[in-house]
Amino acid sequence: SQTIHQWPATLVQPVGSPLSLECTVEGTSNPNLYWYRQAAGRGLQLLFYSVGIGQISSEVPQNLSASRPQDRQFILSSKKLLLSDSGFYLCAWSRGNGGELFFGEGSRLTVL
Amino acid sequence: QKEVEQNSGPLSVPEGAIASLNCTYSDRVSQSFFWYRQYSGKSPELIMSIYSNGDKEDGRFTAQLNKASQYVSLLIRDSQPSDSATYLCAVSNQAGTALIFGKGTTLSVSS
Repeated sequence: SQTIHQWPATLVQPVGSPLSLECTVEGTSNPNLYWYRQAAGRGLQLLFYSVGIGQISSEVPQNLSASRPQDRQFILSSKKLLLSDSGFYLCAWSRGNGGELFFGEGSRLTVL
Repeated sequence: QKEVEQNSGPLSVPEGAIASLNCTYSDRVSQSFFWYRQYSGKSPELIMSIYSNGDKEDGRFTAQLNKASQYVSLLIRDSQPSDSATYLCAVSNQAGTALIFGKGTTLSVSS
């Protein structure tokens, strides 16, 4: 069976500090991978998606970036966090385009 | 900007009643439609997927799709207190590469 893990689960960071969130998928190959953010009072916002190693599509211009160094690994980064980056970050995978998304446990980021 | 609209609620129903959750979407070319349940502080979990017009039943859940009206709904029969959560409607984007989510409807089932 397929599983998805992301970490860390919770982090509190000062404004201007860097960020790295990691996500890995097990039990499948060549998945589509996604990063979503859920801010308070807002819906799930698509940040990045990837259909293969090194292939990243950005949906929202901001100070975040994503990388996919391996088939089942997806990393979300920032060089300098802003207060507005606070939120619940969710990694997800799907078997292909138009299919069901399966989410990881989420990473709750608070920027102070 | 393509949108998915849901009433935020809260929708309150007594235990054993039918809960009806509704969703409209703006992009006529969307092909895939999903309902997710999200408990407070947790990540969303998939409940139902539907791809063609009509009804699809899975246990106590029934998803309904009307592409002409750009409308998706979820019915929960015999509602239980454990069904209390936020329900997210999701629709595939035009390219089919990702899902666009509504803000969710909060359901409260009282015992």
